[in-house]
Amino acid sequence: DGGITQSPKYLFRKEGQNVTLSCEQNLNHDAMYWYRQDPGQGLRLIYYSQIVNDFQKGDIAEGYSVSREKKESFPLTVTSAQKNPTAFYLCASSTKTAPAGEQYFGPGTRLTVT
Amino acid sequence: AQTVTQSQPEMSVQEAETVTLSCTYDTSESDYYLFWYKQPPSRQMILVIRQEAYKQQNATENRFSVNFQKAAKSFSLKISDSQLGDAAMYFCAYRVPQGGSEKLVFGKGTKLTVNP
Repeated sequence: DGGITQSPKYLFRKEGQNVTLSCEQNLNHDAMYWYRQDPGQGLRLIYYSQIVNDFQKGDIAEGYSVSREKKESFPLTVTSAQKNPTAFYLCASSTKTAPAGEQYFGPGTRLTVT
Repeated sequence: AQTVTQSQPEMSVQEAETVTLSCTYDTSESDYYLFWYKQPPSRQMILVIRQEAYKQQNATENRFSVNFQKAAKSFSLKISDSQLGDAAMYFCAYRVPQGGSEKLVFGKGTKLTVNP
């Protein structure tokens, strides 16, 4: 079945450590996105990529980095520079062949930093 | 900047009844898309319904329908014959094509409780 996978579901790290969240899709979608979700805040865009080897900052990119070396993969690194990294992280993808450009989401990763 | 406002942080409905969730947005664009997403306790975001701004006809998907008022910049979601499985966070989202970008702007969500 086609879909988006994120691993792991729960991730725990010590403060000061970088951590990489995985996102893989087999939908053949061109665009991929990373969102952060905090209680009462909705979803906020961190980074997005429309094609391989290219990506743009979203609204809250500080303290995060991404890469897009393959169409299927869009890993997110939460660096030690991110002041409040504990959150729920959602990856999404979309295709230009869908006129409305709706995004499809993975199951998310809950990151806890102590 | 485009913004999406969901004025009801929480709503409740009795099973089998109808409930309407509100959403307003701010934009100067004439061509855009609107979405409602559902996030159940599993936290998986699920697309419920979409609306193209150029279409006057309101979108429907089974028990879900929207009331799209373009002039008022309003996009409410009506859930008919509510079921226990409808209990979730509901997010309204807006998208405008910007040079090929497909960014979505989300509201802060409405938590829907369905009472048996």
